[in-house]
Amino acid sequence: GAGVSQSPSNKVTEKGKDVELRCDPISGHTALYWYRQSLGQGLEFLIYFQGNSAPDKSGLPSDRFSAERTGGSVSTLTIQRTQQEDSAVYLCASSLAPPGTGYGNQPQHFGDGTRLSIL
Amino acid sequence: SQQGEEDPQALSIQEGENATMNCSYKTSINNLQWYRQNSGRGLVHLILIRSNEREKHSGRLRVTLDTSKKSSSLLITASRAADTASYFCATAQGKFQFGAGTQVVVTP
Repeated sequence: GAGVSQSPSNKVTEKGKDVELRCDPISGHTALYWYRQSLGQGLEFLIYFQGNSAPDKSGLPSDRFSAERTGGSVSTLTIQRTQQEDSAVYLCASSLAPPGTGYGNQPQHFGDGTRLSIL
Repeated sequence: SQQGEEDPQALSIQEGENATMNCSYKTSINNLQWYRQNSGRGLVHLILIRSNEREKHSGRLRVTLDTSKKSSSLLITASRAADTASYFCATAQGKFQFGAGTQVVVTP
């Protein structure tokens, strides 16, 4: 079946512009996660969705970052007024996570990420 | 600092050799997961070991968990060039956190 799909795969934009990154999770996966990975580094947690709500958005670096999820499916991560330090690969993952079980108890399925470069 | 930290940071071996990498963590966990990431791709889940398990196998992979030492190890036996990748451990206790990874290079 289809895996997690992210678009665009690459995005180059000028400092100060807004960008939108999209994630299509695996059908039926209620949990969705966004991470940021800088070159040669591990993953930095950004936000977790259970359905359309975000119980944990503690990893969003600043108020320039926001995310939403609609219909319990597609999610969009928006970065406003981009800065050069926002350059990274943004990874999305989804998992089965029955409500009440907490996240992190099921394997996560990752997309290939969006490589964001801010000039 | 990150919850899971892998050791070594990098590992270079020849095909057929075994590769062992370790993960240490700080707080109690529900489970620990290992993932592989090939260059330019997303992470692929390899194995999940629960806090009440001590060892788990999957094909050429063997994972151990020592909750008293707050550590886990991943062993890849009879490595292949295709095993060249970065390997990450991730712990789940409330928040899900990844380590910085071990970069493994397997040369033919």
